[in-house]
Amino acid sequence: AQSVSQHNHHVILSEAASLELGCNYSYGGTVNLFWYVQYPGQHLQLLLKYFSGDPLVKGIKGFEAEFIKSKFSFNLRKPSVQWSDTAEYFCAAFNFGNEKLTFGTGTRLTIIP
Amino acid sequence: DGGITQSPKYLFRKEGQNVTLSCEQNLNHDAMYWYRQDPGQGLRLIYYSQIVNDFQKGDIAEGYSVSREKKESFPLTVTSAQKNPTAFYLCASSTIPEERLFFGSGTQLSVL
Repeated sequence: AQSVSQHNHHVILSEAASLELGCNYSYGGTVNLFWYVQYPGQHLQLLLKYFSGDPLVKGIKGFEAEFIKSKFSFNLRKPSVQWSDTAEYFCAAFNFGNEKLTFGTGTRLTIIP
Repeated sequence: DGGITQSPKYLFRKEGQNVTLSCEQNLNHDAMYWYRQDPGQGLRLIYYSQIVNDFQKGDIAEGYSVSREKKESFPLTVTSAQKNPTAFYLCASSTIPEERLFFGSGTQLSVL
């Protein structure tokens, strides 16, 4: 069965620290990849997406993610986090083979001022 | 202002009772989805619909039912057969399945 793995369940960082959240998916073939974010009390919203082309994609609020096909990974990065980045982050992969979108279990990010 | 509206925000269910969660969108999206969000388990797909009058089971459809009589509306009924209904329920929509999802604000369902 296809799966999306986010190995970091809860990450705690100080402001200005660099961030990398891991995301791995379990299947080959063509995929669309997404990172969604859920700020406290707000809707889930799209942070960034990869469909094709440049494997380094940039999203809102200074976030970026790199698609590495050989590693089946789509890790999320930010060079310097802010307190306002405190949120839950979900990776998701759409598999064109079975037309299914699968979410990871999420990573809770807490930024300490 | 376009978006997805879920209601109610909080819902309580008694044992043996069916409850219905509302989801309405004015984005003119063809595809609509219901997810269940549990701590530590991420989002799991309950049902989805790609066109009016048609819907498919997701990964955890047992104990739930849906209808899609109108493009704008995709209500979810949590039946008495769902033995562990306490969760946060999210409705979403998209233009096509492989595109980004737009989410509603969610409904927290609890059992009395």
